[in-house]
Amino acid sequence: LQLQESGPGLVKPSETLSLTCTVSGGSIISTSHFWGWIRQPPGKGLEWIGTIYYDGSTYYNPSLKSRVTLSVVTSMNQFFLSLTSVTVADTATYYCARQAYYDLSFDPWGQGILVTVSS
Amino acid sequence: EIVLTQSPATVSVSPGERATLSCRASQSVRSNLAWYQQKPGQAPRLLIYGASTRAIGFPDRFSGSGSGTEFTLTISSLQSEDFAVYYCHQYNDWPPSFTFGPGTRVDMK
Repeated sequence: LQLQESGPGLVKPSETLSLTCTVSGGSIISTSHFWGWIRQPPGKGLEWIGTIYYDGSTYYNPSLKSRVTLSVVTSMNQFFLSLTSVTVADTATYYCARQAYYDLSFDPWGQGILVTVSS
Repeated sequence: EIVLTQSPATVSVSPGERATLSCRASQSVRSNLAWYQQKPGQAPRLLIYGASTRAIGFPDRFSGSGSGTEFTLTISSLQSEDFAVYYCHQYNDWPPSFTFGPGTRVDMK
């Protein structure tokens, strides 16, 4: 199973960051897995953004909850991240990853996409 | 929010030597802890889950231990490909509020 992030690499301040994660080699419709987003600012550590189940159930990092929306389109085997009102502090590499239902570690991960917030 | 503290921030080790990395949780996470290895320019890769189960593809020189609030990742005999940053991650709470430690960099002495 592989995951691949896609979307714009540059977003202006105050705008909305929108990313897609495409799952291949397996179905996103799985009762045994969740699907997550994690980000990493340049040179810094990892931050969990949110997690979604194939039925659309969502769970968000409380610190980002007011700005984040996750969604899923099972027919496309894709799930999505939307982050509103971005600032330079949202500049990061964004990763998508799978989580097992019985053990919520992240495995595997996508290769990541660097999103820069700049005017 | 459960805070994870990793120590040391950086450890310098010679090839063939042992490295011991620590992860401490601000409250019990039982065994709901994972370790990831990240090399420059790459995504993190799951190394240990359930505090002590090694992920597929990693050799047995990597081992994890601990439960509750104190966890250890041991690399018994460092190889050149093991120099990387290691992160711990707790996934104890439901509804989830997952957190990561700040990472430990393993450098070559």
